[in-house]
Amino acid sequence: QLQLRESGPRLVKPSETLSLTCTVSGGSTRSGTEYWGWIRQPPGKGLEWIGSVFYTGSTHSLSSLGSRVSISVDTSKNQFSLRLTSVTAADTAIYYCVRRKSGRYYFDYWGQGTLVTVSS
Amino acid sequence: SYVVTQPPSVTVAPGKTATIMCGGDNIANKRAHWYQQKPGQAPVLVMFNDAERPSGIPERFSGSNSGNTATLIISRAEAGDEADYYCQVWDDNSDEVVFGGGTKLTVL
Repeated sequence: QLQLRESGPRLVKPSETLSLTCTVSGGSTRSGTEYWGWIRQPPGKGLEWIGSVFYTGSTHSLSSLGSRVSISVDTSKNQFSLRLTSVTAADTAIYYCVRRKSGRYYFDYWGQGTLVTVSS
Repeated sequence: SYVVTQPPSVTVAPGKTATIMCGGDNIANKRAHWYQQKPGQAPVLVMFNDAERPSGIPERFSGSNSGNTATLIISRAEAGDEADYYCQVWDDNSDEVVFGGGTKLTVL
């Protein structure tokens, strides 16, 4: 059974960089048949897709986040990561790591989520 | 960018049928997917490709997609169905994932 688990700092200061890692178990980030991604949810609000990465390192992300967002994969560690720079309070959210199968445009596995708060 | 809209809330009596709608311009040309999220938990996929149920999801859950509306239908609603429900599509014009704002289902 595939499992995803987010890890990283829970508190980030404004203007600094948010960094999260998702560790995959029960599956492989190098399988070539999945995309690994991130979705966030501000407290009490809806879901927002952030972006995804393929095992080759190819990425795609929400255009409105521009160059602030970076997603990478480390197949040797079976992990993928999110970096979001120049954060503000608006980036406070529960961050979920997710999986979708190649050719399928829905997310069938989700991590438990981790709340990241942006505050000084 | 593509926008999908959902009613903020839907109320259904126990044992009755709940209908949760997701509106978007010609959404029938896209595949709609639905997630159930209970308080404090991660979302769970309950319907994909308009009307396909993942394994483990009760047959009481069904879906459709026509014209400008995708619909999640929950028959014989139970207290355990109370949750937020989100629809999601892939906008192939922008190549981005789009979520609806979510609908809170109350079984009362």
